[in-house]
Amino acid sequence: DTAVSQTPKYLVTQMGNDKSIKCEQNLGHDTMYWYKQDSKKFLKIMFSYNNKELIINETVPNRFSPKSPDKAHLNLHINSLELGDSAVYFCASTLLAGGKSSYNEQFFGPGTRLTVL
Amino acid sequence: AQTVTQSQPEMSVQEAETVTLSCTYDTSENNYYLFWYKQPPSRQMILVIRQEAYKQQNATENRFSVNFQKAAKSFSLKISDSQLGDTAMYFCAFPNQAGTALIFGKGTTLSVSS
Repeated sequence: DTAVSQTPKYLVTQMGNDKSIKCEQNLGHDTMYWYKQDSKKFLKIMFSYNNKELIINETVPNRFSPKSPDKAHLNLHINSLELGDSAVYFCASTLLAGGKSSYNEQFFGPGTRLTVL
Repeated sequence: AQTVTQSQPEMSVQEAETVTLSCTYDTSENNYYLFWYKQPPSRQMILVIRQEAYKQQNATENRFSVNFQKAAKSFSLKISDSQLGDTAMYFCAFPNQAGTALIFGKGTTLSVSS
């Protein structure tokens, strides 16, 4: 059984379009994340979310918005796509421990490679 | 601010050899966790090993072990008896100040050849 799944795995689209990437975890975790991996393989947090709060990395443009219909899902919506948004986007999840979500192993989805033309 | 530094962009090793990947970090926290993740060509991120800062004993997982030097803020990964399947990018990771997410180093690409 897949622990953290993302759809689609590949997404090719035109500049200016709006797109969504879906993420689901079946691990019963309470915290989910979106990371962006750029062309140099640098991984950077975009959002972290549990059922109490959303924490946004201040460097993320407001064209990006996470939406969580329930604890098992955290989708990523991107408006007005730009060339610089091309990257691999990873969803991840974990359990809070000691009040900190970064103490436990994070389980990653397979990634979505977004290409903006 | 929390920072994580991996100073070796690329490394190569022969099968069965031992290799050590370095990682240094900066923090003012006293209690934290450190992680090594592996990203093979399939791009799946996989946890290799986790170290708790308050534990003196270095973590070990089969052929993978760490050399954790808390005072020096150093967290290196040793891979013994390297296998072809170890070929991957390895990331050192460390919690951000709020403990809400991980900060990743820039990664070390490891190539294992026969």
